[in-house]
Amino acid sequence: DAGVIQSPRHEVTEMGQEVTLRCKPISGHDYLFWYRQTMMRGLELLIYFNNNVPIDDSGMPEDRFSAKMPNASFSTLKIQPSEPRDSAVYFCASRPRDSQETQYFGPGTRLLVL
Amino acid sequence: AQSVAQPEDQVNVAEGNPLTVKCTYSVSGNPYLFWYVQYPNRGLQFLLKYITGDNLVKGSYGFEAEFNKSQTSFHLKKPSALVSDSALYFCAVREGPGNTPLVFGKGTRLSVIA
Repeated sequence: DAGVIQSPRHEVTEMGQEVTLRCKPISGHDYLFWYRQTMMRGLELLIYFNNNVPIDDSGMPEDRFSAKMPNASFSTLKIQPSEPRDSAVYFCASRPRDSQETQYFGPGTRLLVL
Repeated sequence: AQSVAQPEDQVNVAEGNPLTVKCTYSVSGNPYLFWYVQYPNRGLQFLLKYITGDNLVKGSYGFEAEFNKSQTSFHLKKPSALVSDSALYFCAVREGPGNTPLVFGKGTRLSVIA
């Protein structure tokens, strides 16, 4: 398996623009997680899905952030409008149904908002 | 609520010496504990986990960790450090056997000096 796939790997945009981050989880995994990593706040859980249904989005910082999972093999995290403080590395992770299993992380998208 | 503490932001060790990266946790029930490593510009990679059974668990790259229930700790160890072990290490916990997401510590940066 190719692992969790994220695109783009790097994104540079200007304040006010819309940003869409994409994730393809490992086939057969029931859970998908979106995390944000910054120096100041470490690794923060933004939202997670179970069988394509959002379970907990309490970590989403503001209404400017939204996430969707239209099917089992694709998820998006959208920021509209983007702000400089959104600059971070965004990780997607997936996990099988078995709660003893680990979460598998993608390589991340490094976002810079100017 | 679940939480993880990694009391050291940075650990420095000489190559060939043993290393320890500390982690303490807090959960209401049984802890599922994990260690991940992050190399520069990469996603988090799973190292090892404790679910149940033997308190000493062995993982990838010669790492091991010891679960100590009375001290609520899960320290990561390696008998002989390599320069290539230099990276950011994350401890994570989930209350088992539920399906809540992993809660991560802030990470400890390990530097192994030749």
